[in-house]
Order: sequence, then C-alpha cells, then structure tokens
Amino acid sequence: GENVEQHPSTLSVQEGDSAVIKCTYSDSASNYFPWYKQELGKGPQLIIDIRSNVGEKKDQRIAVTLNKTAKHFSLHITETQPEDSAVYFCAASKKDSSYKLIFGSGTRLLVRP
Amino acid sequence: ETGVTQTPRHLVMGMTNKKSLKCEQHLGHNAMYWYKQSAKKPLELMFVYSLEERVENNSVPSRFSPECPNSSHLFLHLHTLQPEDSALYLCASSPDSYNQPQHFGDGTRLSIL
Repeated sequence: GENVEQHPSTLSVQEGDSAVIKCTYSDSASNYFPWYKQELGKGPQLIIDIRSNVGEKKDQRIAVTLNKTAKHFSLHITETQPEDSAVYFCAASKKDSSYKLIFGSGTRLLVRP
Repeated sequence: ETGVTQTPRHLVMGMTNKKSLKCEQHLGHNAMYWYKQSAKKPLELMFVYSLEERVENNSVPSRFSPECPNSSHLFLHLHTLQPEDSALYLCASSPDSYNQPQHFGDGTRLSIL
C-alpha cells in the first residue's frame, strides 16, 4: 500500500531563517499532496496543497515543491517566526475510489526567538 | 459557527463505560472522517462516510461504532474500550469527491482508565 515518509522528525531554526521539511511517497499514482500544521491542543489545519500537474506552489512565506520523478515533495517556510512553531504533516492521495489521505509521521518545528 | 466542531473536547472513561463522540461540520461537505492520533504515530484513518454511507472501514475493532445520521453530523460510539485506545480522536470533512482538502476539528482527547 501507499507509504509516506517524512523527515526530519524535529527541526529547530533561528527566527528569520528558512525551514525545509521533506516527504517521499511510494505510489507513483499519487497526485494530490496537502500539508497540515497542528498547533498544541488543535486539530491539523491545511496550510497549502499541490497537485501533480504543477511543480511548485507558493503562498506568501510558504512554498511546496513536487518532484514526480523522484516521488518526493517538500515544504519550504521562509523568514520563520515563533508562531510557525508547530507539528507539520505531509500527506498524499491518488485519484481512485478511495478517500484515503496517507499521512507522514510529522515534523516538530521549533522557531527560536 | 463555521468549520468542524467536536464535542466533548476531553473524555475520561472506564473500560466498561459507553460514551459517544460527536462531530458537526458547517462547511456543506458531503464526506466525513474519523481519525485516531496516537503519540509518535501517523494519523490513522478509521472510518469514511460519503453522503451518509460508510465507504471505508479501516479494520477498526467493533468496540468503535460510527454513525452518520446526515451529512453534517458524525458520531463515534464507544464501548468496552481498552487502555491502548487512549488517543486524540479527530473528525474531518471534505467535499464529496476524492482528492479534496480535508478540514479537521480540534479533536476529543480520550483517556481510558
């Protein structure tokens, strides 16, 4: 079945620096890749997503890149702020009869002031 | 009120108790989901409902019983749970087609004594 691996499990950066989180997926038929941010005591919140017909998508300080050949996708956060501290999850799904999103194991990001 | 609302936010129960978790979405979505989130594990999909019909049951023990009376409400009935069932239970919803963003509630933190 589909498997999504996420690295690193923890990431600590200085405020203002960039942060990069990487995910790889196993099923080449996957074509939808969302990223979620989960703050303490809250549910995951969708922050950006990308479909397989594009290679990059940007929304202010957040960007996601997709390499279909290598089957990996990455989240880039620039000019990090303390409020970016949270757990980030990547996920993948494919266009079939299933509604399944397969999640990575999460990255705990700490932005030091 | 907007988004996905879950009640209660916290629940402590004994192994012989019967309780229910409730989820309500105000997004006009047709698909609803139950996930289990345990420490240091990826989100585990439990059940999927589309237009009030169950379309996915991810090998979940029968002590968990879902109910979807309409497209806005989802319940998870619990009985004779085990200590390993202690976790954060998340509800999500999405538009009725696959490969659509899922919107999560803030979860119910369940503790089994």
